[in-house]
Amino acid sequence: KAGVTQTPRYLIKTRGQQVTLSCSPISGHRSVSWYQQTPGQGLQFLFEYFSETQRNKGNFPGRFSGRQFSNSRSEMNVSTLELGDSALYLCASSSGTSGSESYEQYFGPGTRLTVT
Amino acid sequence: DQQVKQNSPSLSVQEGRISILNCDYTNSMFDYFLWYKKYPAEGPTFLISISSIKDKNEDGRFTVFLNKSAKHLSLHIVPSQPGDSAVYFCAASATGGATNKLIFGTGTLLAVQP
Repeated sequence: KAGVTQTPRYLIKTRGQQVTLSCSPISGHRSVSWYQQTPGQGLQFLFEYFSETQRNKGNFPGRFSGRQFSNSRSEMNVSTLELGDSALYLCASSSGTSGSESYEQYFGPGTRLTVT
Repeated sequence: DQQVKQNSPSLSVQEGRISILNCDYTNSMFDYFLWYKKYPAEGPTFLISISSIKDKNEDGRFTVFLNKSAKHLSLHIVPSQPGDSAVYFCAASATGGATNKLIFGTGTLLAVQP
């Protein structure tokens, strides 16, 4: 099975711009979660999508949004970029159904976003 | 409020010896725990997990122990190999809410010396 893929891998944007990141989960997985990793805050949960619906949201401002398509692919969008948004953005997929294995999340390689 | 804590930022071990990485949590609602290994500029790689109904889970060289009363878990790697050198994160989830939100610790950098 192919793993989780994320595009693009690297991105440089300027303050005030917006950005869209893409994630394709493992085939058959219906849950996609997004995380932000920064040196100061570590790995923090942004939101989770399951069957095209946002199932949970972390403590991030409304500038961070996402969506999920019928094929389970997901995008996240950050509007009005700030310098502090520079981070590694990670996408993780899981089956999303009940049972122990469903809680195991598999991560993509991440998108490194630099805001200048 | 750091709900998942890894109090040792780094650990150095000789090749062939045991590596023990520790993790503490504060939220009693957490009922599923996972360990991930991460290299710089890559996504975390899932290693092993444990449900709160168990106190031990083993997979090859990796064993995770859970002490619910102490709200403590540990990852044992035996024998340690140089390729195990990476940052290790523990993560916790409260699965009862039908969500896959993971709360991560701050990580422990493991260095295995040849």
